[in-house]
Amino acid sequence: ETGVTQTPRHLVMGMTNKKSLKCEQHLGHNAMYWYKQSAKKPLELMFVYNFKEQTENNSVPSRFSPECPNSSHLFLHLHTLQPEDSALYLCASSRSDRGSETQYFGPGTRLLVL
Amino acid sequence: KQEVTQIPAALSVPEGENLVLNCSFTDSAIYNLQWFRQDPGKGLTSLLLIQSSQREQTSGRLNASLDKSSGRSTLYIAASQPGDSATYLCAVTHGSGNTGKLIFGQGTTLQVKP
Repeated sequence: ETGVTQTPRHLVMGMTNKKSLKCEQHLGHNAMYWYKQSAKKPLELMFVYNFKEQTENNSVPSRFSPECPNSSHLFLHLHTLQPEDSALYLCASSRSDRGSETQYFGPGTRLLVL
Repeated sequence: KQEVTQIPAALSVPEGENLVLNCSFTDSAIYNLQWFRQDPGKGLTSLLLIQSSQREQTSGRLNASLDKSSGRSTLYIAASQPGDSATYLCAVTHGSGNTGKLIFGQGTTLQVKP
């Protein structure tokens, strides 16, 4: 176990639905990340939070809305998604958002948008 | 724009073989390079991290090398075992390391046959 959990593990939603992905880390880290892994593209960084503050938004569409209420929890709120948003969404955490820190990944949420 | 490429995309070898996975990056201004392993349903696990000033790192049967000037890294796996079957991802941290933004390759899917 890496100490990073994600729920749900699988999610099917329609384009008009609103859903949220949850990530929790039990490692005492201060930085948390959302990544997207599509079938035919490399794993892509979406958002970075450090001490609850967003430090990176990698030009992500507004239909994805992150929330970081504390250093242990990270949410990704989803609304009016498109079928091309179907992917594996991975959460990660690290001691800080510096490049020297190893990131620890959760198992991911497999999302299917119909 | 930094791009990371991994060759081959897939590899199948008999148990016991030594093998090499390749990673190349277009911009040599990297802070560090990491190799990850991804198992189905289990997220990513960091295997080795090489700082830009280092030439190689070793962990057990794994050895990763870095030639920053030529934009290349290799992951050498000695005496492969069926348990090594997974997708191996290479990722670089660009620039000064002020941020933990990882740029990933698409991965090499390895199958080790008993």
